[in-house]
Amino acid sequence: DAGVIQSPRHEVTEMGQEVTLRCKPISGHDYLFWYRQTMMRGLELLIYFNNNVPIDDSGMPEDRFSAKMPNASFSTLKIQPSEPRDSAVYFCASSSPIYEQYFGPGTRLTVT
Amino acid sequence: SQKIEQNSEALNIQEGKTATLTCNYTNYSPAYLQWYRQDPGRGPVFLLLIRENEKEKRKERLKVTFDTTLKQSLFHITASQPADSATYLCALVPGSQGNLIFGKGTKLSVKP
Repeated sequence: DAGVIQSPRHEVTEMGQEVTLRCKPISGHDYLFWYRQTMMRGLELLIYFNNNVPIDDSGMPEDRFSAKMPNASFSTLKIQPSEPRDSAVYFCASSSPIYEQYFGPGTRLTVT
Repeated sequence: SQKIEQNSEALNIQEGKTATLTCNYTNYSPAYLQWYRQDPGRGPVFLLLIRENEKEKRKERLKVTFDTTLKQSLFHITASQPADSATYLCALVPGSQGNLIFGKGTKLSVKP
C-alpha cells in the first residue's frame, strides 16, 4: 500500500484566498483524521471521520475551516478565506482500528 | 485544565546509552497511551501502544511504562544509535473517545 497520500505537499497563497487540502487514506481504514502542527501549539486534532461521517469537529478553529469526506477514499480540508495565522503543516491520518494511526507526509501551508 | 506534557524539549545522549523520555498528564483518565516518532519533514510514525491495565510493553530496543497513579509514561530506547535521533511524541486517548491528544514532543539527539 502507498500509505496515506496528501496533496499538495506545499502550498503558498495570499491572505483571503481559498485553500483546499486533499487526502487519500489507506484502503480499508474506516477512520480519517485531520491535524494541524505548529511550533507553538504542537499537533492538534481538527476533525475526524468514521465511515465518512464527521464524529468530532470541536478542534476546527472557526467557520473558515470546513472538511468533507464524500467517500471512503477521499477527504478535503478547506480554508476560506485563508489568513496568515493558518500557516502550519496539515496532516491527514487514517486508522483501523482507531488507535494506531498512519500519518501522511503533510501539506506545508504558507499564507502571506 | 487538561494537559499532556513532555518534560524535555530536547535530550542529548551518547550512542550506546539508554534514552529515557517522560510524558506526564493531568485531568485525564486515558484508556490508552501511545508513542510516535517524527522525523523532520515527515508525519509521525506509530511505535507503541500501552493500555491502562498494562504496566510495561516492549518492542525490540523500545520499552514503555504506564503508571496511572503517577499519571506518567516513560519511553526508553536502549543501546541508542544516531539513527534514533528524532522527535518523539506521546499521545493519549482520553476515556472512551476516539481522538488522540498529543504532547509537543521531545527532540532526541544521539551523538556518535
